[in-house]
Amino acid sequence: GAVVSQHPSWVICKSGTSVKIECRSLDFQATTMFWYRQFPKQSLMLMATSNEGSKATYEQGVEKDKFLINHASLTLSTLTVTSAHPEDSSFYICSAPRRRGADTQYFGPGTRLTVL
Amino acid sequence: QKEVEQDPGPLSVPEGAIVSLNCTYSNSAFQYFMWYRQYSRKGPELLMYTYSSGNKEDGRFTAQVDKSSKYISLFIRDSQPSDSATYLCAMSTGNQFYFGTGTSLTVIP
Repeated sequence: GAVVSQHPSWVICKSGTSVKIECRSLDFQATTMFWYRQFPKQSLMLMATSNEGSKATYEQGVEKDKFLINHASLTLSTLTVTSAHPEDSSFYICSAPRRRGADTQYFGPGTRLTVL
Repeated sequence: QKEVEQDPGPLSVPEGAIVSLNCTYSNSAFQYFMWYRQYSRKGPELLMYTYSSGNKEDGRFTAQVDKSSKYISLFIRDSQPSDSATYLCAMSTGNQFYFGTGTSLTVIP
C-alpha cells in the first residue's frame, strides 16, 4: 500500500511556541492532503484540506491563523500550530489519496503534540 | 442526520469469536467503501476497500456492501487479541470522503 510519513512522531513544547508537523507521501504524489486531530478515545476530526499550490480549505470552527498549512510540493504538506496552548495538545494525523478523486485515503502514523 | 453512522461500541468478544462491525449511510452517491483499523496512538491502517455491492474477502476479514440498504459490514473470523483496536468505516463519493466515528473492539484471550 501507499506510504505516508509524518515527522515528528512526538513533540513536547512550551506554551506560546510554534510547532511544525510534516506529512510526506513517500511513493506517490498527492495534490491533496488532509489534516485531522484526534482526542483520546474519540474519532478523527477533519481540520483542513491541504491543496498543492493553493490555499488550504479549513473546516468550520478551525482557526486558519492558528493552524497554518503549507502544501509546497506534491509530496509534502506541513501543519504549523502557532502559539500553541495546552488545549492544542492532541494527536495530529495526515492522510492523502493515492490518486486524484478521493476513492481511498492513506494515513500517516500521526504526531502526538503535548503543550506544557 | 450524519452521512455515516457507526455504533461506537465498545465491543468485547472472546478469542475465536466472529465479530461483526456495521455502518449505515444516507448518501446514495457513495461509491467507495473502506474499513480502517486504528491501534491506540497510531494512524489508521487501510484494511479493506471495495466499490461494489457484495462480499470481498481477505484472510480472516470479509467486507460486505449492500448499496440497496445503504449498509456495510466488516466480519472478522477467528478473532485474535491482536485484532483489538478501533475500526473505522469510511465512504467516498470520489470527491468527498466521510468517516464513521469508529467502533472500539477488544478481543479477550
